[in-house]
Amino acid sequence: DTEVTQTPKHLVMGMTNKKSLKCEQHMGHRAMYWYKQKAKKPPELMFVYSYEKLSINESVPSRFSPECPNSSLLNLHLHALQPEDSALYLCASSHRQGTQPQHFGDGTRLSIL
Amino acid sequence: AQTVTQSQPEMSVQEAETVTLSCTYDTSENNYYLFWYKQPPSRQMILVIRQEAYKQQNATENRFSVNFQKAAKSFSLKISDSQLGDTAMYFCAFMKPFTQGGSEKLVFGKGTKLTVNP
Repeated sequence: DTEVTQTPKHLVMGMTNKKSLKCEQHMGHRAMYWYKQKAKKPPELMFVYSYEKLSINESVPSRFSPECPNSSLLNLHLHALQPEDSALYLCASSHRQGTQPQHFGDGTRLSIL
Repeated sequence: AQTVTQSQPEMSVQEAETVTLSCTYDTSENNYYLFWYKQPPSRQMILVIRQEAYKQQNATENRFSVNFQKAAKSFSLKISDSQLGDTAMYFCAFMKPFTQGGSEKLVFGKGTKLTVNP
């Protein structure tokens, strides 16, 4: 069982829909991450939150909107997505000291119709 | 900028045999961390092993061990007594510590798809 929980596991949405991906961890980690992964490719970093503040935005389009309501939760709000946004979205967390590895969730498989 | 290269897109090995996955990286930093992650078809990224660059001793974790050659900037993963459950995509990753100006950003290689055959 993973210590980072992502919901939903699968999501199919139209280009005009609004949906949210959720990520939760209870390991006391203070850094949380969103990655996008296309098939047979490595994960690409999208956002980093440190102590609930956005610290890195890798020039992600505004149709992706992250939110960190508290130290255990990380959301990714989706709106007006494009077919090329179909991918596996991975959440990860780590201790803030920067010496500890990141722990990943199972991911949400997103399909845009 | 740091780069990570995995030169073997795919590899296969017979069950119970040993296989080595290669990884090279490019950095001007002296202190950093290297990781191997495993991603089976179930898609979760699982940490396999970690190496701190300031430690000369190679990391080991049960059947998994690394050959870390700092001067050559090489970080290979050896899997002994391969099992069917080792079938997965393996990613090598580099991280510069936050305490030295890093951002905890993992730089991944393109991955090696390993198949363990019965």
